[in-house]
Amino acid sequence: SYELTQTPSVSVSPGQTASITCSGDKLGNKYVCWFQQKPGQSPVLVIYQDIKRPSGIPERISGSNSGNTATLTISGTQGMDEADYYCQAWDNNNAVFGGGTKLTVL
Amino acid sequence: QVRLQESGPGLVKPSETLSLTCTVSGGSISSGDYYWSWIRQPPGKGLEWIGYINYIGTTYYNPSLKSRITLSVDTSKNHFSLQLNSVTAADTAVYYCASYDNSVLPGHFDFWGQGTLITVSS
Repeated sequence: SYELTQTPSVSVSPGQTASITCSGDKLGNKYVCWFQQKPGQSPVLVIYQDIKRPSGIPERISGSNSGNTATLTISGTQGMDEADYYCQAWDNNNAVFGGGTKLTVL
Repeated sequence: QVRLQESGPGLVKPSETLSLTCTVSGGSISSGDYYWSWIRQPPGKGLEWIGYINYIGTTYYNPSLKSRITLSVDTSKNHFSLQLNSVTAADTAVYYCASYDNSVLPGHFDFWGQGTLITVSS
């Protein structure tokens, strides 16, 4: 079965840029979504179709996808960005999620 | 904006059937642009897609759970339901319902319910 691999944790200083990666076989040939989940809350869609932001998601959150890796980039990271982030893609009519990355803003 | 609310028993005994319902408000479940989804998250772990259904009853299931899942939709009540049979402790999780916007392919899970914790225990 298809797998998406994420680094378990990433730390960043306030104001710096955080990069969260998601790896999978030929992932660049698929579309990737990203979800943000804060403790005790439901996931929130922050990126879909690799690079698109839903209404209300700030421009400092962006996505890219090429080769075997998709990347979620958060510029000017703020304390409110501290959360778990999950990537998601489709493989043979099956939605697959990555294991999640915990972003800590130090 | 679509809003979703899960309802269910909270506690289910091993080997029994888990039944959950998701009520949709702020939109019609009969919209052809949407599939209606279930996703779960074991405590402290990641997300797992269970399956989804559209308003005419077309379903897609996670292959790893397919043999134990039944999804259904009731357009008159604007809700959809999940049945998961032969549950074990491994099925203990927060269960989310979510809308899947299929108007532009590929779609995406755009709105989520608040989730309901289901514990499997005797």
